[in-house]
Amino acid sequence: GEDVEQSLFLSVREGDSSVINCTYTDSSSTYLYWYKQEPGAGLQLLTYIFSNMDMKQDQRLTVLLNKKDKHLSLRIADTQTGDSAIYFCAESPASGGSYIPTFGRGTSLIVHP
Amino acid sequence: ETGVTQSPTHLIKTRGQQVTLRCSSQSGHNTVSWYQQALGQGPQFIFQYYREEENGRGNFPPRFSGLQFPNYSSELNVNALELDDSALYLCASSFAGTGNGYTFGSGTRLTVV
Repeated sequence: GEDVEQSLFLSVREGDSSVINCTYTDSSSTYLYWYKQEPGAGLQLLTYIFSNMDMKQDQRLTVLLNKKDKHLSLRIADTQTGDSAIYFCAESPASGGSYIPTFGRGTSLIVHP
Repeated sequence: ETGVTQSPTHLIKTRGQQVTLRCSSQSGHNTVSWYQQALGQGPQFIFQYYREEENGRGNFPPRFSGLQFPNYSSELNVNALELDDSALYLCASSFAGTGNGYTFGSGTRLTVV
């Protein structure tokens, strides 16, 4: 199976909160990431969390990590139409000092008025 | 601080040909990674370069090769192109030994016909 799994689509109304979920399989994951990709663009790092943390908040973004269940989530508060994009979850172990992320297939977030 | 720049932005090649893609890393970064992103998929790791040597490789055949130069810029070369090589090729830079995420370029869209 996939190393990192995400649901493919999420549709929300503008102003609501969005929660994007991700599960991963590698118990040695050291860092976990959320990236955003807009159409025709590369990936933009939104936030990351170290594996010894269970929560990180950054303005409208909240990341929750359940290491026991290998579950990561990204909550976007007050979702705006500009948040419409594909969101990728990624994990990386610290292998020899190289933190090479493995990505999921991405969750397409659609925000409608 | 300049970001990651990739060239060309788009490219069309014929099956069996060879292609070279180029990447300039972000100022202050010394590691370059290449990813292949097929339509509707997450990025797949091809390889990483550090100190001008390959520092990790994903599940890609030897016809995918690369170089890193003393100024940390990089090239991705693909020989004997196949139709399935059609994808967005993403370059990402980082500073070795840190896990705080990659900076991605906007990618090169390669179409093999």
